[in-house]
Amino acid sequence: DAMVIQNPRYQVTQFGKPVTLSCSQTLNHNVMYWYQQKSSQAPKLLFHYYDKDFNNEADTPDNFQSRRPNTSFCFLDIRSPGLGDAAMYLCATSDPLAGIYNEQFFGPGTRLTVL
Amino acid sequence: AQRVTQPEKLLSVFKGAPVELKCNYSYSGSPELFWYVQYSRQRLQLLLRHISRESIKGFTADLNKGETSFHLKKPFAQEEDSAMYYCALSYYNQGGKLIFGQGTELSVKP
Repeated sequence: DAMVIQNPRYQVTQFGKPVTLSCSQTLNHNVMYWYQQKSSQAPKLLFHYYDKDFNNEADTPDNFQSRRPNTSFCFLDIRSPGLGDAAMYLCATSDPLAGIYNEQFFGPGTRLTVL
Repeated sequence: AQRVTQPEKLLSVFKGAPVELKCNYSYSGSPELFWYVQYSRQRLQLLLRHISRESIKGFTADLNKGETSFHLKKPFAQEEDSAMYYCALSYYNQGGKLIFGQGTELSVKP
């Protein structure tokens, strides 16, 4: 089945220790998104890639970076995680050729714990 | 600023009762509205979108531009409808980005 895969599902890191979360997709979609979802809150968009074109949200901290080496993979790098970065991180994809208002397909998420 | 509001964090009903999950939005243009659902231990997935005007799993939602609302309704709730429901807004000049509401947890009791 075509899908969005996130690894690992659970990640524990130490305060200030860099961490990378990964997302891969077999849908061949042009757009990939990273969302942060804290407990009992709405998913919040951090940034997205349209092909190789990176689009950062204005309020995304500099501590968060992303890489997309090819269509299938996208990485979220947190350079110096703080306690406030503990959250569920969701990756999603969409195909803009399917229409302007197109469905996003989500991965299962990676739950990040910062000790 | 664009915003989506879901006033109820938790909605609990009995099986067979009608359900209405409320969603209000603030946006001056013509947005596209969605309902996404997350069942226990599953990923977030699209339930329905206003532009399709379809009924999915017995759920419908009508966009009311006058009231800026997009409430989700089902006449007879089933236990398998228990899940987290998110209303989301997308608008043309932002490349399809989604703005989510806080979510409403629906609990359908037997």
